[in-house]
Amino acid sequence: EAGVAQSPRYKIIEKRQSVAFWCNPISGHATLYWYQQILGQGPKLLIQFQNNGVVDDSQLPKDRFSAERLKGVDSTLKIQPAKLEDSAVYLCASSLSRGGSTIGELFFGEGSRLTVL
Amino acid sequence: GENVEQHPSTLSVQEGDSAVIKCTYSDSASNYFPWYKQELGKGPQLIIDIRSNVGEKKDQRIAVTLNKTAKHFSLHITETQPEDSAVYFCAASHTDGNNRLAFGKGNQVVVIP
Repeated sequence: EAGVAQSPRYKIIEKRQSVAFWCNPISGHATLYWYQQILGQGPKLLIQFQNNGVVDDSQLPKDRFSAERLKGVDSTLKIQPAKLEDSAVYLCASSLSRGGSTIGELFFGEGSRLTVL
Repeated sequence: GENVEQHPSTLSVQEGDSAVIKCTYSDSASNYFPWYKQELGKGPQLIIDIRSNVGEKKDQRIAVTLNKTAKHFSLHITETQPEDSAVYFCAASHTDGNNRLAFGKGNQVVVIP
């Protein structure tokens, strides 16, 4: 079974530029997550999708970050304009969970490492 | 929101010895506690999880114990091997409708051959 695919693996940009990350979850997984992992810290949830609807985006800096999940499959995360503090690994994860009272295993991609100069 | 803390931040053990990592959480409503292992350059991978209706769960060399009264849970790795060297993250969540996982900062475990 193919895992969660992310691209690009690495991206270096200057501050105030824009960047986009792409994620293809495991086939059949209803829930998709974007996490931000700053060096030396644990993953922090940015946004959670259930199919193509947003379940939780309370920690997404909406003035500069946006995300979409068209047709309930692939997703893109965009940052515009980027700041120095956005340097991090952006992890995409998916799960079978369809909400309700049960949370299931999250399957993470290898991440996209962003460096903002 | 939920706050998860892990101790110690770095743990070095001799191959064959046991390793124990402890996590504390703040929200007494949390009822799901997974542990993820992250190797260099890879995404985290679930290794074991426990729900609040049990106190202990074991899977081969890995076990997790939960103390709901004290609001802490621990990961136990026995007979450590070099491939156990990684960063381990604990997390907690409760079924409030979005099941948001709050991760700790991670523990670097180094197994010395």
